[in-house]
Amino acid sequence: NAGVTQTPKFRVLKTGQSMTLLCAQDMNHEYMYWYRQDPGMGLRLIHYSVGEGTTAKGEVPDGYNVSRLKKQNFLLGLESAAPSQTSVYFCASSYSAWASGSYEQYFGPGTRLTVT
Amino acid sequence: AQKITQTQPGMFVQEKEAVTLDCTYDTSDPSYGLFWYKQPSSGEMIFLIYQGSYDQQNATEGRYSLNFQKARKSANLVISASQLGDSAMYFCAMRAQNSGGSNYKLTFGKGTLLTVNP
Repeated sequence: NAGVTQTPKFRVLKTGQSMTLLCAQDMNHEYMYWYRQDPGMGLRLIHYSVGEGTTAKGEVPDGYNVSRLKKQNFLLGLESAAPSQTSVYFCASSYSAWASGSYEQYFGPGTRLTVT
Repeated sequence: AQKITQTQPGMFVQEKEAVTLDCTYDTSDPSYGLFWYKQPSSGEMIFLIYQGSYDQQNATEGRYSLNFQKARKSANLVISASQLGDSAMYFCAMRAQNSGGSNYKLTFGKGTLLTVNP
């Protein structure tokens, strides 16, 4: 199993350009998440999805859109990139059941995005 | 709202010694889970250990143990017999189940950078 994969690994954008980050998981997880990590800030949740066709806003959703057309994929879009969106982006996935176990989130390797 | 506080931006420890990384949390939810993740310089997030709010015993995973003090709302990570490979950023995180139903979002602390000296 590949676990959680992210493409691309690195990207440089100019202000105003758009791009889509792709996250894929092969663990049949219901839940998927997008985080951004900035120095000294820890990880902050951008958007998440509790199942195919559903999305919801997290802590810092402005400037981003997401889609979950297939259970295994979760796309993060930047329509008009800004320098403030320079960050490392992590995708994660997890099971949905609370009944037992830790149901930890499994993280992808991250995408380093620079907006100039 | 949930909040995680990690008050130690950086910690140093000698190889083979034990170290405690602090984490305090705040939530009004009766059911929650606490996690520790390790992020080495290569950048990936590695799950280390989990503690459920109703678990009677402190969680342990190999050299990692979680000192869970519910009344004090603390969930400190203890690493025994530190190794050079333990040098990394460590994040405490919490997942709480809101009264309205399911909520599986993680709230992260800002992290503690651990350096293990030879």
